[in-house]
Amino acid sequence: AQSVTQLDSQVPVFEEAPVELRCNYSSSVSVYLFWYVQYPNQGLQLLLKYLSGSTLVKGINGFEAEFNKSQTSFHLRKPSVHISDTAEYFCAVTVGTSYGKLTFGQGTILTVHP
Amino acid sequence: EAGVVQSPRYKIIEKKQPVAFWCNPISGHNTLYWYLQNLGQGPELLIRYENEEAVDDSQLPKDRFSAERLKGVDSTLKIQPAELGDSAVYLCASSLGYVRTSEDNEQFFGPGTRLTVL
Repeated sequence: AQSVTQLDSQVPVFEEAPVELRCNYSSSVSVYLFWYVQYPNQGLQLLLKYLSGSTLVKGINGFEAEFNKSQTSFHLRKPSVHISDTAEYFCAVTVGTSYGKLTFGQGTILTVHP
Repeated sequence: EAGVVQSPRYKIIEKKQPVAFWCNPISGHNTLYWYLQNLGQGPELLIRYENEEAVDDSQLPKDRFSAERLKGVDSTLKIQPAELGDSAVYLCASSLGYVRTSEDNEQFFGPGTRLTVL
């Protein structure tokens, strides 16, 4: 079975600073990887996804992530954060034969300070 | 286009009472999911429907939880009786799913129902 580990439960950062949210996964088969964002009292919104092809994936709101198969990682990055990026971020994985069954990490709370 | 709709958004009940949550997926989406999200945790799949058939309910506590998706559209998740530990957010998601390509499996989430059991 697959699993996801988000290495940081909370990440504080100042506005306009760069940020990296770390995600590692384990799976014995090929995977699809996702990052979701959850604002307070809202559902999850897809930021970006890796299905195949280029390992550098660009998403909405200026976020990007890089799939590293050898290190089984899918870290999320943004070169300059805004106050509005304050939210909880979830990394998720699904394997090729599971047709959409997502396994989520425990989440990383990103807090952007002025 | 409307997204996934869930109601109610908030529910407070006393333990041992029954409760039900409703979900209306995105029009045309064949696959519907119910997730449980405990505080400080990522969502965990409870049940997945392909049309009206429950194809994965292995994580659904069947002694007190039940779900249905009549006519393969709307879905209801019920808890009877509720326990203190059921306090959580219940998320519904949907995806196209039918063709079973990776693109069709992108899941769209509703805002969730926050349940508080006193």
